[in-house]
Amino acid sequence: DTAVSQTPKYLVTQMGNDKSIKCEQNLGHDTMYWYKQDSKKFLKIMFSYNNKELIINETVPNRFSPKSPDKAHLNLHINSLELGDSAVYFCASSQDRGSYNEQFFGPGTRLTVL
Amino acid sequence: AQSVTQLDSQVPVFEEAPVELRCNYSSSVSVYLFWYVQYPNQGLQLLLKYLSGSTLVKGINGFEAEFNKSQTSFHLRKPSVHISDTAEYFCAVGAGGASYGKLTFGQGTILTVHP
Repeated sequence: DTAVSQTPKYLVTQMGNDKSIKCEQNLGHDTMYWYKQDSKKFLKIMFSYNNKELIINETVPNRFSPKSPDKAHLNLHINSLELGDSAVYFCASSQDRGSYNEQFFGPGTRLTVL
Repeated sequence: AQSVTQLDSQVPVFEEAPVELRCNYSSSVSVYLFWYVQYPNQGLQLLLKYLSGSTLVKGINGFEAEFNKSQTSFHLRKPSVHISDTAEYFCAVGAGGASYGKLTFGQGTILTVHP
């Protein structure tokens, strides 16, 4: 069984479009995250939710909006896509919000903006 | 705020040779330290972590790391590597207190094991 799953795995779209990436975890974890991995493989946190409450909101353009309908799901909606949004986006989850926890990562969504 | 520096962007090594991947961190508070591995086209998975206690931490696949507080380092080692260890390795630091689950990652080290 997949612990953290993301859809789609690949997303190719034009500049200016709006797209969503979905994430689900079946581990019973309370906390979920979105990370962006750029072309140089640098991994940076974007958002984190704990039991549907936003707890980490890094300096991210407000074109990016996370939504957590329940603690097992965390979706990422991106408006007015730009070339610089091209990256691999990873969802992750952990048992709770503590920094000592292992984070479990999904397989990633490779977003290409043309 | 915390930061992580991985001192080598690429490490080539022959099969069955030992390897060390270097990681230095900085933080103004107590830290938790992690090594994650990323195989091609996959997500990250945890190799090992240091929370407290013994400074030598053993992880999966024969890897170990040593926490050195005075040198603010957390280097990853394996005495004998396999071809299957070829991957990218990320060091990460999490801070206590109000930083919650925020992990700061290093730039990654690509380990390539040659036959």
